[in-house]
Amino acid sequence: KAGVTQTPRYLIKTRGQQVTLSCSPISGHRSVSWYQQTPGQGLQFLFEYFSETQRNKGNFPGRFSGRQFSNSRSEMNVSTLELGDSALYLCASSIEFTGELFFGEGSRLTVL
Amino acid sequence: AQSVTQPDIHITVSEGASLELRCNYSYGATPYLFWYVQSPGQGLQLLLKYFSGDTLVQGIKGFEAEFKRSQSSFNLRKPSVHWSDAAEYFCAVADSNYQLIWGAGTKLIIKP
Repeated sequence: KAGVTQTPRYLIKTRGQQVTLSCSPISGHRSVSWYQQTPGQGLQFLFEYFSETQRNKGNFPGRFSGRQFSNSRSEMNVSTLELGDSALYLCASSIEFTGELFFGEGSRLTVL
Repeated sequence: AQSVTQPDIHITVSEGASLELRCNYSYGATPYLFWYVQSPGQGLQLLLKYFSGDTLVQGIKGFEAEFKRSQSSFNLRKPSVHWSDAAEYFCAVADSNYQLIWGAGTKLIIKP
């Protein structure tokens, strides 16, 4: 069974640009969560989608948005990038709501 | 408020020695508890979980953890570490909405 796939793995953007990250969950998993990981702040929850609906949202500004498609694939978008948005963005999928998550390898975003 | 504390930011252990990583949580109800591991440049992988029942939980890669309600702890142990265990370890508790509340992580360094 294929794992969680995130694309792109690495990307470099400049301040003010926007970025879209993609996540394909494990087949059969309908829940997708997104996290931001930085050395200073650790793992911070962005949002969770289930069956195309946002189920939970973390404490991030509106520049961070996401969506989920009918095939459970998910995208997150960050607009008007700031230097502080440089981070590893992790996607995780799960079958049900127990906290047992399966993570992708992440998309490392560098904002210059 | 719910929280997870991992008191040790770094731990250095000699290869072949035993390991214990500490985790304390603050949560009112019966917790769902997890340990995840993140190898350098990778996403996170579930090591083990506690939902209910036997308080000593076995996980992958020879790890185990013990839930102690009286101490609000869920410490991770391994009898003999290998160089490949060098990674960052995260403890987490699921809240009532099954969102994970994460500890700050403990980086494990293995001395040859």
